[in-house]
Amino acid sequence: AQSVTQLDSQVPVFEEAPVELRCNYSSSVSVYLFWYVQYPNQGLQLLLKYLSGSTLVESINGFEAEFNKSQTSFHLRKPSVHISDTAEYFCAVSLYLYNFNKFYFGSGTKLNVKP
Amino acid sequence: NAGVTQTPKFRVLKTGQSMTLLCAQDMNHEYMYWYRQDPGMGLRLIHYSVGEGTTAKGEVPDGYNVSRLKKQNFLLGLESAAPSQTSVYFCASSQGLAGGWHEQFFGPGTRLTVL
Repeated sequence: AQSVTQLDSQVPVFEEAPVELRCNYSSSVSVYLFWYVQYPNQGLQLLLKYLSGSTLVESINGFEAEFNKSQTSFHLRKPSVHISDTAEYFCAVSLYLYNFNKFYFGSGTKLNVKP
Repeated sequence: NAGVTQTPKFRVLKTGQSMTLLCAQDMNHEYMYWYRQDPGMGLRLIHYSVGEGTTAKGEVPDGYNVSRLKKQNFLLGLESAAPSQTSVYFCASSQGLAGGWHEQFFGPGTRLTVL
């Protein structure tokens, strides 16, 4: 069975501090990995994705995530957060199974950046 | 290029009333999805469609129906609304071709309250 686990439902952090949002997945087949961000009262937006190649992927606003196959993890990190990073972050796994491209979403982590 | 749009943005229903949520995408995507988002539960798939004229049940389909008469539109219907259907509903679309690497694009959401 496939699943995505985000261990932290909320992460409070002060501005300019580093942050890590954890994501673990389980799957019996190869997967593609995504992080989405949801700002208040908005839809989800793609933040970054891992498809193949280098296990470290970066977004345009300073976030990065590393695919670790042995630990089945895809943690999201940022070395210095801003107030504007306050949002909910969703990890997602995509796989192609039974002729269908299926997504599994984690339950989300709310990042609250304090001044 | 508007991406994925949803109407209405907000709606309040009384128990037993019916309504239809409309999703439209202008990216010529094959796959379309309806999710509901509830606090602490992430996104749960209600129904999806892999092409014009096709629909299938997702994780939580009870109480909902869908139709995909045109490729660009995906309608979600509630025949007899219940308070348990109070939620934020998101529509998404993806290219959905074989492989699993295509990300989903989300609409801004519809906030539905059933009294």
